[in-house]
Amino acid sequence: NAGVMQNPRHLVRRRGQEARLRCSPMKGHSHVYWYRQLPEEGLKFMVYLQKENIIDESGMPKERFSAEFPKEGPSILRIQQVVRGDSAAYFCASSPVRTAHDTEAFFGQGTRLTVV
Amino acid sequence: DAKTTQPPSMDCAEGRAANLPCNHSTISGNEYVYWYRQIHSQGPQYIIHGLKNNETNEMASLIITEDRKSSTLILPHATLRDTAVYYCIVTASNTGKLIFGQGTTLQVKP
Repeated sequence: NAGVMQNPRHLVRRRGQEARLRCSPMKGHSHVYWYRQLPEEGLKFMVYLQKENIIDESGMPKERFSAEFPKEGPSILRIQQVVRGDSAAYFCASSPVRTAHDTEAFFGQGTRLTVV
Repeated sequence: DAKTTQPPSMDCAEGRAANLPCNHSTISGNEYVYWYRQIHSQGPQYIIHGLKNNETNEMASLIITEDRKSSTLILPHATLRDTAVYYCIVTASNTGKLIFGQGTTLQVKP
């Protein structure tokens, strides 16, 4: 059972370009979460998605950032018109449907975005 | 979610037990204590979680005080590979939305 797969692992973009980060959850997981970690800082929650639905986007910047988790295929975090301040590690986590604290979220290895 | 307080850093000798404290004095009755760790900028790794009883798994033990205002993560025989940032998170959410603090950087030394 493969873990959470993120690609690419490293992404370099010039200022003003678009960045697309992909996350394939673990098999059987229908919940996806995106986190951002700026250099030398802790992880910050960005968005929580279920298939075809955004459940909680309270951590998403108001502009240029969007996320989706389509019925088929991976979850995508999209950053338009990237700026140097977007340089960070972006982590995806997934969890199965659950009604109690009977399991945990599993994280991918992250995508390191560098804006030059 | 309740706020947690952890020491910024700790050292531990290889082979000895590592005891990582966490204060969560404002924890509510329905909030769980979770521990994750992040090894050298890899993705965070789940360690253990509990509500009020002490818990043990193959990685660690979690000791929660009776008043639930603090807890301790115990790595019984620390190895160099346990060097990481350890995050104590308190949450009532049964989803994977986690609020990470600054954590404790554990340095295991030979």
